[in-house]
Amino acid sequence: DQQVKQNSPSLSVQEGRISILNCDYTNSMFDYFLWYKKYPAEGPTFLISISSIKDKNEDGRFTVFLNKSAKHLSLHIVPSQPGDSAVYFCAAKKALSSNTGKLIFGQGTTLQVKP
Amino acid sequence: SAVISQKPSRDICQRGTSLTIQCQVDSQVTMMFWYRQQPGQSLTLIATANQGSEATYESGFVIDKFPISRPNLTFSTLTVSNMSPEDSSIYLCSVRRSTYEQYFGPGTRLTVT
Repeated sequence: DQQVKQNSPSLSVQEGRISILNCDYTNSMFDYFLWYKKYPAEGPTFLISISSIKDKNEDGRFTVFLNKSAKHLSLHIVPSQPGDSAVYFCAAKKALSSNTGKLIFGQGTTLQVKP
Repeated sequence: SAVISQKPSRDICQRGTSLTIQCQVDSQVTMMFWYRQQPGQSLTLIATANQGSEATYESGFVIDKFPISRPNLTFSTLTVSNMSPEDSSIYLCSVRRSTYEQYFGPGTRLTVT
């Protein structure tokens, strides 16, 4: 049962334009969401997170939007840069879990930013 | 954040053998985690390793197959035992600090032939 889904395996955008990566979830008990970026041969790098009590969080070029009613979150990167080319994972944490550290990851979306 | 190193970075092993992966953190942390990323798949939590207690394994993972040690607050090992080609994956350790964000090591790429 895939509780966190990234339905787009890949995305290609032009440098300077906006990249929008999407993530859907099925478990209403998730209360914290995170985005990670992963380059080949490296571990995932934390990008940005959002609590379920918020609907937006911004950090520089990265903004995460959360729509709880739709169980949907998105990561916006503006402007996109070639160095943003990587695999992006969304992840979620369940409230009241016996393991507060457990993160459930989506399948990832490969972003390519073309110069 | 945290500086996390893993050894080895990659290995090619024969089926039936075992490999121990080391994870070293630059500062003390309570919670350490071990994940697996199979080819083309997402990251899946294998177990949570807290210092001073037995590791907690997720459904589908057992201690006999993936024994974990956590001797202190900066170090942990994961052993992949009696390996088969299905164990070919990237194995990642991560740590959690004060909030819910986890910081990952570079990973160990394991190929079982």
